[in-house]
Amino acid sequence: AQSVTQLDSHVSVSEGTPVLLRCNYSSSYSPSLFWYVQHPNKGLQLLLKYTSAATLVKGINGFEAEFKKSETSFHLTKPSAHMSDAAEYFCVVTLSRDNFNKFYFGSGTKLNVKP
Amino acid sequence: ETGVTQSPTHLIKTRGQQVTLRCSSQSGHNTVSWYQQALGQGPQFIFQYYREEENGRGNFPPRFSGLQFPNYSSELNVNALELDDSALYLCASKTGTMNTEAFFGQGTRLTVV
Repeated sequence: AQSVTQLDSHVSVSEGTPVLLRCNYSSSYSPSLFWYVQHPNKGLQLLLKYTSAATLVKGINGFEAEFKKSETSFHLTKPSAHMSDAAEYFCVVTLSRDNFNKFYFGSGTKLNVKP
Repeated sequence: ETGVTQSPTHLIKTRGQQVTLRCSSQSGHNTVSWYQQALGQGPQFIFQYYREEENGRGNFPPRFSGLQFPNYSSELNVNALELDDSALYLCASKTGTMNTEAFFGQGTRLTVV
């Protein structure tokens, strides 16, 4: 079985401070992992992806994530939050052995950025 | 902008009616998948089409059906609408290559009253 757990439903940070959004996955096979962001009333935008290359992945807007197989984690970080980062973030896993590459979404983390 | 467009953006239907949602995939993409995102939840996989054939389905009843056309655009049909069908419906397109990212449309907000 495969699943994605986002450990925090809400995270609040001050502008200019670091961001950490936590994601753990369970998978019987080699996963590919993604982070997507959803701004209010918008679709989902890809932030970054891990597909078995480098374990530290850099994405757009200064975000990065590190794949840690031993911890089954794929946490999203950013050194300095900006007001425009306020949104909902989804961690997604898909499986290399899945015939149709179904995306499994976490329940989301809402990031609030305080001035 | 992802190049994936969905129509309509908003829709209000009455319980028991039928609805059709449409999605134009990004150029060069032959795979389209549909997701239901209820309020406050993550998207849930409905089904996926690859080159006009359904090749995967989530835990949704048969009254959720779809089509993919030769130009790889797609439709999602829902019959006998229920109040719980109220949600944001997202379409995503990708290439058929394994483990590639999906590009999402803006979604259709369906309200069933």
